[in-house]
Amino acid sequence: EVQLVQSGAEVKKPGESLQISCKGSGFTFTTYWIAWVRQMPGKGLEWMGIIYPGDSDTRYSPSFQGQVTISADKSISSANLQWSSLKASDTAMYYCARQKSRDGYNLRAFDIWGQGTMVTVSS
Amino acid sequence: DIQMTQSPSTLSASVGDRITITCRASQSISSWLAWYQQKPGKAPKLLIYKASSLESEVPSRFSGGGSGTEFTLTISSLQPDDFATYYCQQYNSYSWTFGQGTKVEIK
Repeated sequence: EVQLVQSGAEVKKPGESLQISCKGSGFTFTTYWIAWVRQMPGKGLEWMGIIYPGDSDTRYSPSFQGQVTISADKSISSANLQWSSLKASDTAMYYCARQKSRDGYNLRAFDIWGQGTMVTVSS
Repeated sequence: DIQMTQSPSTLSASVGDRITITCRASQSISSWLAWYQQKPGKAPKLLIYKASSLESEVPSRFSGGGSGTEFTLTISSLQPDDFATYYCQQYNSYSWTFGQGTKVEIK
């Protein structure tokens, strides 16, 4: 089965660091772009950035550049989202998602989604 | 950044109704427009990609249209399972943006 499985919910304090992960299976992880999407409580979807695990080419939304780091470990088919110093405003559900591709042609939509990781930042 | 504006924000409809949601881009995005359905507590689900291509296993009552800056998602006969929030999403130059969402409610 093609799937993305994310790490579990996190509760952290402001100023703490955090890395959450997204593990792919059932497909060749290194040949698909993997994106991260934020959804704050009761709000809409925000694209944060995207990585190509094959060569770690990474692009960020201007809104998130410098605020988070996206990385990948292709040896374990995992994409990661990292914060060095969390803020209360980082409280949100975070989704990873695979960019749809057919015959090597990227179709610019996200066809497989992880189940989401809820991050709560509170003192 | 390209901005996406969805309308309406909320839509009240009945089972069997035909409904249309509109998404406008602040500049031309060719056909790089996707539509998603999201239910409470669940991840989004891809419905339509490249403006009008139906994702595998998505019912044919869903259809997408448009190009350039104006796009539509139509549900031809609303079913009980379709009450959810719908998002459009654009792509341009390694940047993606979502619309603010349209909540489809039971009338």
